[in-house]
Amino acid sequence: EPEVTQTPSHQVTQMGQEVILRCVPISNHLYFYWYRQILGQKVEFLVSFYNNEISEKSEIFDDQFSVERPDGSNFTLKIRSTKLEDSAMYFCASCSGGAYTDTQYFGPGTRLTVL
Amino acid sequence: AQTVTQSQPEMSVQEAETVTLSCTYDTSESDYYLFWYKQPPSRQMILVIRQEAYKQQNATENRFSVNFQKAAKSFSLKISDSQLGDAAMYFCAYHIYNFNKFYFGSGTKLNVKP
Repeated sequence: EPEVTQTPSHQVTQMGQEVILRCVPISNHLYFYWYRQILGQKVEFLVSFYNNEISEKSEIFDDQFSVERPDGSNFTLKIRSTKLEDSAMYFCASCSGGAYTDTQYFGPGTRLTVL
Repeated sequence: AQTVTQSQPEMSVQEAETVTLSCTYDTSESDYYLFWYKQPPSRQMILVIRQEAYKQQNATENRFSVNFQKAAKSFSLKISDSQLGDAAMYFCAYHIYNFNKFYFGSGTKLNVKP
């Protein structure tokens, strides 16, 4: 069964450094999402992406964050200058249709630790 | 503000018994969708069940069913004949029609006792 993959599984970085989290969505999917989950807290929506542009973003998704689909297969989340509070699990998801008509498939997550 | 509240951080159920997980949400929208997601210890979230707000009939998927009370903004998940494999974090989520944006609750950890 096709699945969403994410790399790396764990990323440790120093505060102020840039990180890029990578996701490979399921190949025929058109809608892509990033979420984050701070330890013990709720899953928070960051951004949705469709047709090579952001369709929705949350208040969390400020200028420090950007997303890109550079080569038609990868979907990346970049954090330009990491802060301690960016430490969290980051989940990527994709679906073939709009998420309310179709199932979102989630990746296993990347644990980001900012020191 | 759009919020989703799961008031039970953790619950336990005996194998083969039934358990109900609670979820309430706050919205001024009339068209939206509600979801329950399961996150097993391997941490990959999977969709358990989905409910369209315009449908009065409660959604059912095998042993999983919901009790959707639109006026009360309540969306509980009932798991019948609980199995060991049901042990996981369960997240309630909400999505406004035509906006590609989701809101999640804080999750309920379900333990299943043999």
